[in-house]
Amino acid sequence: DVKVTQSSRYLVKRTGEKVFLECVQDMDHENMFWYRQDPGLGLRLIYFSYDVKMKEKGDIPEGYSVSREKKERFSLILESASTNQTSMYLCASSMPGSFTDTQYFGPGTRLTVL
Amino acid sequence: AQKITQTQPGMFVQEKEAVTLDCTYDTSDPSYGLFWYKQPSSGEMIFLIYQGSYDQQNATEGRYSLNFQKARKSANLVISASQLGDSAMYFCAMRDLSGGGADGLTFGKGTHLIIQP
Repeated sequence: DVKVTQSSRYLVKRTGEKVFLECVQDMDHENMFWYRQDPGLGLRLIYFSYDVKMKEKGDIPEGYSVSREKKERFSLILESASTNQTSMYLCASSMPGSFTDTQYFGPGTRLTVL
Repeated sequence: AQKITQTQPGMFVQEKEAVTLDCTYDTSDPSYGLFWYKQPSSGEMIFLIYQGSYDQQNATEGRYSLNFQKARKSANLVISASQLGDSAMYFCAMRDLSGGGADGLTFGKGTHLIIQP
């Protein structure tokens, strides 16, 4: 079974702090994704990566950056956290070329910025 | 641009009844995939079922089936014999398959399904 883990289930940070959200997958997937989920808005894509050191902006990249130094790990960075970044953050991974290219998700990190 | 519309913000259904969750989509891409995910209160997104735009038959996975009507651009999820454990948020999503590279999913806003005993 695919296993995607995220470093924290709950996180509370202060405005202006630098925040790191970590995601690790154990299935040798090439693609990894970061989404944020807000009530009434569904999930929105922040960034994705299709290879080590490669990254692509999603629909809402402003205020975020990412890092992928190893294939299994994809980090989301909030350089200076703001209250409007309070949200649920979900990481996903997929294998390109698989029949459905299905994305498998981690348990999510609920981030609160005070 | 792709768009997913889920018109039912919430639904109450009696246990053991069948449930249909609506999903319509909009895309100009000829090749695409449609996905349904379940999100229980624990927060994890669980993949349920997939339908490709060129698939001739409707997808089925256990109690889940997808009523795919391509001309109407709809991909409704049907859950047969609902159970209390089916109570969750359900999201319809799609992605373009013609690009060949990585691509994120476009999600609908979700339907909150509550199964009543």
